[in-house]
Amino acid sequence: ILNVEQSPQSLHVQEGDSTNFTCSFPSSNFYALHWYRWETAKSPEALFVMTLNGDEKKKGRISATLNTKEGYSYLYIKGSQPEDSATYLCAFTNSGYALNFGKGTSLLVTP
Amino acid sequence: GAVVSQHPSRVICKSGTSVKIECRSLDFQATTMFWYRQFPKQSLMLMATSNEGSKATYEQGVEKDKFLINHASLTLSTLTVTSAHPEDSSFYICSARGSGRVSDIQYFGAGTRLSVL
Repeated sequence: ILNVEQSPQSLHVQEGDSTNFTCSFPSSNFYALHWYRWETAKSPEALFVMTLNGDEKKKGRISATLNTKEGYSYLYIKGSQPEDSATYLCAFTNSGYALNFGKGTSLLVTP
Repeated sequence: GAVVSQHPSRVICKSGTSVKIECRSLDFQATTMFWYRQFPKQSLMLMATSNEGSKATYEQGVEKDKFLINHASLTLSTLTVTSAHPEDSSFYICSARGSGRVSDIQYFGAGTRLSVL
């Protein structure tokens, strides 16, 4: 089992605030880092798959960075909206197959 | 994005019965499907990986005779929890990936909440 840590565990922000979460993972034998957005009673939605050190990816107001040498990734949300409320999961793989998930960061955005 | 359908979303059963969960890829061919389990306040944990037409590969500590996985077609995998007991109560979720690069996205179903009385 590969240890993937996410922080904070939960976050409550006001609409319009920008926020960020951290995912740390083993820095050896890196293959890929996945970010998912998971709303209650729905399927986890893939946000990003990151494979290269220094990768930066963006999807609308959400972006992510990757540092494979030190074993961390940041997810940023600019100008949070209530519809951004969800649990954000990161998952590390050293094989390209099995995903090792963190426990997630639960985000609540209130108007 | 690709769609994965998982049924049922919730099931309550008596101890000793078997429960089958279906996972279907609706608009792509899933050469590999994965089954995960999540206990309260824990992370998603991989149970097994199945490739179409092959026997599933189970993670350490997962009983293959208890959790039967069938991946007979490129669009359907099933997980059968045999002789379920209360300790099997958990959230089960599948994912699927098409052929291509191993770093490609896994598409998830919405999960199945199993409660064994």
